[in-house]
Order: sequence, then structure tokens, then C-alpha cells
Amino acid sequence: NAGVMQNPRHLVRRRGQEARLRCSPMKGHSHVYWYRQLPEEGLKFMVYLQKENIIDESGMPKERFSAEFPKEGPSILRIQQVVRGDSAAYFCASSPGQANGYTFGSGTRLTVV
Amino acid sequence: AQSVSQHNHHVILSEAASLELGCNYSYGGTVNLFWYVQYPGQHLQLLLKYFSGDPLVKGIKGFEAEFIKSKFSFNLRKPSVQWSDTAEYFCAVSFSGNTGKLIFGQGTTLQVKP
Repeated sequence: NAGVMQNPRHLVRRRGQEARLRCSPMKGHSHVYWYRQLPEEGLKFMVYLQKENIIDESGMPKERFSAEFPKEGPSILRIQQVVRGDSAAYFCASSPGQANGYTFGSGTRLTVV
Repeated sequence: AQSVSQHNHHVILSEAASLELGCNYSYGGTVNLFWYVQYPGQHLQLLLKYFSGDPLVKGIKGFEAEFIKSKFSFNLRKPSVQWSDTAEYFCAVSFSGNTGKLIFGQGTTLQVKP
């Protein structure tokens, strides 16, 4: 029974490129949350999605960031025109329902050079 | 604004010492409370959680936490730490009406000396 799978584990992008981070939730989980951990900081909520719907994107930066969770396939966090300040660890978590507590993936460490 | 604060950023203990990590939150309504641990190079793992009922919660690996509503606190404790407890510990709170998202504290790095 695979846990939450995130890939890639490490991603290096040059400034101005696009970064695509993927998250496959645990089997049976239809709720996906994305968090960002900047160096020396705790995790910050970004977005909460259910299949084909964005439920809460109050933590997403207004520009360059988008997320989706299609009917088929993994959830994708997309960062366009990356900048050095986007360098962080991005964690995905999945849950069978709201407020149940969730299972985290191993994260994707994005480095922008 | 809803917030979570962890008082200790870096704690160093010797093996067999007792541990208490503080966590306070700002909200006065209904909350669900969590402690997560992140071992070096690994993902976050749930140590324990509180939704309702007995405010003293037992978790994995000998950890426990006590919810004190009047103090808005959810401190993590372990009577005797081991070298393998070296990790980063995060307190997190889910506030009612907040779609299940978690507000995390800044984290506490625990270093246990053998």
C-alpha cells in the first residue's frame, strides 16, 4: 500500500523556467493539500484540492503558481517563471476527508539557480 | 489571525533526559491538534493527534501530549529521550471552518546526545 508519492524528489530549475511538481495521493484519498517549507521556516499551507476542484487556494501566491487535481492522474503544482525565492521544499498530503489528519509525501526540493 | 507558536527552536538533550516541547495557538474556537516529526531526510510523520475526549493523548514511540484548553496549549512530552529521537518536531492546528488545512508552528529541532 503505497503512501503519498511525490516526484521528483529533487528538482533544479534556472530562473525563468517552469517547475511541475507531482503528487499521487494514497489509494482512496480524494483530498490533497500542498504546503511549502522555506528554509528556516515551518510549513505554510498553499492549496487544498479535491478531484477536479480547488477548494481553498488562500495560501497560493497570486501569480505564477497554479494547482490542479484532475479526474485521472496525480495532482500537479505548477510554478511558472521560477525565481530564486521559490527555492523550497514542497510537500503534498492526502486525506480521506477534511480534518482527519493526513499523510504527507516525502516532498520535492526545488532549487532555483 | 490564527497562528501557532513553538517556543523552543533548538533543544539539545542527553539520552534519558525528559522532553517537553511547547506549543500554543491563538484561536479560541474548536480545534484539532497534531504533532508531526520529521527525521533527517524523511517526510513528516504523525506522532499523535487530538480531536476530542481525553486531553492527554498517547502517541507513537512513547510520546504524549496534553491539551489544556484554558491555556491554548498542546505540549509534547516524552519521559526519556533516545538518540533516535533526534529530529524536527512540528505542532499543527486545524481550526474549525478552515477546510482542514493545518497551521504549523515554526518547528523545534531536537538533538539528542548519546
